[in-house]
Amino acid sequence: KQEVTQIPAALSVPEGENLVLNCSFTDSAIYNLQWFRQDPGKGLTSLLLIQSSQREQTSGRLNASLDKSSGRSTLYIAASQPGDSATYLCAVKGVKAAGNKLTFGGGTRVLVKP
Amino acid sequence: NAGVTQTPKFRILKIGQSMTLQCAQDMNHNYMYWYRQDPGMGLKLIYYSVGAGITDKGEVPNGYNVSRSTTEDFPLRLELAAPSQTSVYFCASGTSGGNYEQYFGPGTRLTVT
Repeated sequence: KQEVTQIPAALSVPEGENLVLNCSFTDSAIYNLQWFRQDPGKGLTSLLLIQSSQREQTSGRLNASLDKSSGRSTLYIAASQPGDSATYLCAVKGVKAAGNKLTFGGGTRVLVKP
Repeated sequence: NAGVTQTPKFRILKIGQSMTLQCAQDMNHNYMYWYRQDPGMGLKLIYYSVGAGITDKGEVPNGYNVSRSTTEDFPLRLELAAPSQTSVYFCASGTSGGNYEQYFGPGTRLTVT
């Protein structure tokens, strides 16, 4: 059974510092991995999707890497801003996932202090 | 496109009451999903559907029912609400091919007292 873990559960950094968020998964037979942002009381916004054949994906200040063999993904946010404060969730789609369902990590709650 | 819409946004139920959470999508996606998110936790899959008339259980289906009569709609039914069903419920839809990306609705916050 696939398990996805995000450590730490919470993170606080001063504005301008780079953010490094970790995601690990137990079964390397994944099709893709997705990073989401969730603001308090809101739904999920997809940030980046990395296919299993890719090593990284970039969008603006965001860069996500994937090391499938070691079961790890890292989301880097450069030059953090207070507006980056949110919870970040990663989710994987297994190769054999029935219904293409996603398995989610517990999330990392980020606070960027001005 | 409105994407994935959910109603209601908030609801308070008494123990033993029933209700239906509505979900609709206008992207013509075959796949639809219901997840629940408990405080400080990730999302867990309740039920999913791969097309009209076809549904299947996820990780935590007990106490819930679903139906899928059209491609657009995927309602979630709670029978005999219990405090353990206090949670935020998210509906999502996705394609059956391509990158399999899922798109999420804004959620329904449900409290059972």
